Amino acid sequence: NAGVTQTPKFRVLKTGQSMTLLCAQDMNHEYMYWYRQDPGMGLRLIHYSVGEGTTAKGEVPDGYNVSRLKKQNFLLGLESAAPSQTSVYFCASRPLARETQYFGPGTRLLVL
Amino acid sequence: ELKVEQNPLFLSMQEGKNYTIYCNYSTTSDRLYWYRQDPGKSLESLFVLLSNGAVKQEGRLMASLDTKARLSTLHITAAVHDLSATYFCAVDISGGSNYKLTFGKGTLLTVNP
Repeated sequence: NAGVTQTPKFRVLKTGQSMTLLCAQDMNHEYMYWYRQDPGMGLRLIHYSVGEGTTAKGEVPDGYNVSRLKKQNFLLGLESAAPSQTSVYFCASRPLARETQYFGPGTRLLVL
Repeated sequence: ELKVEQNPLFLSMQEGKNYTIYCNYSTTSDRLYWYRQDPGKSLESLFVLLSNGAVKQEGRLMASLDTKARLSTLHITAAVHDLSATYFCAVDISGGSNYKLTFGKGTLLTVNP
């Protein structure tokens, strides 16, 4: 199993550009999450999904959209990137029967 | 609004010494998690504590949960350099419905020879 993978690993955007971050998991997990991590901060939840076709807002959802059309994929979109969205983005997934969230390797995003 | 506070935020230890990291949270919960993050890496799950009085140990690390005090501790015994990392606690107040986690800011642990 590859576990949780994230694409891309690193990206530079200009203000106003759009992009989509892809999270994929091959463990058949029901729950998936997107977090952002900023220096000196813990992780903050952006959006999450409790199953295919469902999404919900987390703590800091503004400026982001998500979709979960397939169970194994959870996409995070930035429609018009802003410098404040410069961050490291982590995806995580969790199975129904276990408490632990499994994290991907992260995507570093720089918005100029 | 749930607040999760870790103390200390920075900890420099000598090898062989013991120390404790504290995690306080502001809202009732019986689900608390500890994660480790190495520089530039992802998060690795260390412990899952699911009830009052829960205690778990792995190697030189031991975690405990007191839900009445809303406090979890991560105790380090006889620290070694390999334990240098950032440690996060995280709390779930969803009651087991959607398992959303709120993280503390992390404790950067440096173990010196």
